[in-house]
Amino acid sequence: DTGVSQDPRHKITKRGQNVTFRCDPISEHNRLYWYRQTLGQGPEFLTYFQNEAQLEKSRLLSDRFSAERPKGSFSTLEIQRTEQGDSAMYLCASGGLVNEQFFGPGTRLTVL
Amino acid sequence: KNQVEQSPQSLIILEGKNCTLQCNYTVSPFSNLRWYKQDTGRGPVSLTIMTFSENTKSNGRYTATLDADTKQSSLHITASQLSDSASYICVVSEMFSGGYNKLIFGAGTRLAVHP
Repeated sequence: DTGVSQDPRHKITKRGQNVTFRCDPISEHNRLYWYRQTLGQGPEFLTYFQNEAQLEKSRLLSDRFSAERPKGSFSTLEIQRTEQGDSAMYLCASGGLVNEQFFGPGTRLTVL
Repeated sequence: KNQVEQSPQSLIILEGKNCTLQCNYTVSPFSNLRWYKQDTGRGPVSLTIMTFSENTKSNGRYTATLDADTKQSSLHITASQLSDSASYICVVSEMFSGGYNKLIFGAGTRLAVHP
């Protein structure tokens, strides 16, 4: 257990529905990252927060995706109008120092 | 394009044997290289992290090497155990001006240790 928690662990939804995932980082960490991992591939970077500021977004983060970290603590990742191609594991990582990234257990999304 | 390539894609070994996993990368500017272990359905867990000036780093039965000139790394597992069965992911960190590390992941090597 790295101390990073994600909720829910699994989510099954129908195409076109909206879903929201939550990440609770290690409490003293100010850096928070979101990644997406498809089967048989390594994780791909989606976005990065330092405190409440979203400093970097990947081109993978289409208009249907939005991430927030309103108080610089927990973060949410919302996907609107889900598509089957959104099915993946969504990983959150937190870090205090530049070189640190501790990963949560992930949220596995299945879009039917 | 910054890339991380790993080989082999999958590997089966018998318990107690050693194995070596390979990683080649083209990431620039390079900050550090990490090896992660990822059990099925879980998040990755860091094994080692090396900067460009480090040639080798050990963590128990795991030993990572780095050749920053040829942009190659390897992860050697000694006296494998059944619990070593997992995906091993090579991750290269690209330094951004914002002072954070963007991680670029390889696809991983899936290791199966059989009794």
